[in-house]
Amino acid sequence: EPEVTQTPSHQVTQMGQEVILRCVPISNHLYFYWYRQILGQKVEFLVSFYNNEISEKSEIFDDQFSVERPDGSNFTLKIRSTKLEDSAMYFCASSPRDGGFTEAFFGQGTRLTVV
Amino acid sequence: QKEVEQDPGPLSVPEGAIVSLNCTYSNSAFQYFMWYRQYSRKGPELLMYTYSSGNKEDGRFTAQVDKSSKYISLFIRDSQPSDSATYLCAIATDKLIFGTGTRLQVFP
Repeated sequence: EPEVTQTPSHQVTQMGQEVILRCVPISNHLYFYWYRQILGQKVEFLVSFYNNEISEKSEIFDDQFSVERPDGSNFTLKIRSTKLEDSAMYFCASSPRDGGFTEAFFGQGTRLTVV
Repeated sequence: QKEVEQDPGPLSVPEGAIVSLNCTYSNSAFQYFMWYRQYSRKGPELLMYTYSSGNKEDGRFTAQVDKSSKYISLFIRDSQPSDSATYLCAIATDKLIFGTGTRLQVFP
């Protein structure tokens, strides 16, 4: 069964460093997302991406964040200068959206720890 | 008012019990309602979704939407210890809007 894969599974970084989280969405899906979940809190929307551009972003997704689809398979989230409060699970998701709504399939997540 | 509200639990039930998990939502325009299951430190896994009002059944799971009261429910029949997880309701629009999740524990 097709699945969304994310690497790395765990990333530890020093405050102020740049990190890149990587995702390979399901191959025939057209819409891609990043969500995050701070420990003990709910899953929060960060950004959606379609047709090689951002279609929507939340207020969390500030100038420190960027997304890219550098080739036909990968989808990345970059955090330019990490803060302690960026520590969270980051989930990539993809959706075919052929039903006109977001039936999203999630990866297993990258646990980001900022020290 | 939050868009989706969900009792965080935890909910602890014996094996074989019927479990009822519930959410309320604020916007009557929402049409698609999702249920995800999340095991500890894993990604949300789509269980099922419903469109508008009514019921949808898949094995031991039944999803129900009552649009008049803006209430969505997930019922699990004959619950198993392997059902122990956090259950997330979500509204599906151009993105997913999640509730906080209800932690369920099914003990043998």
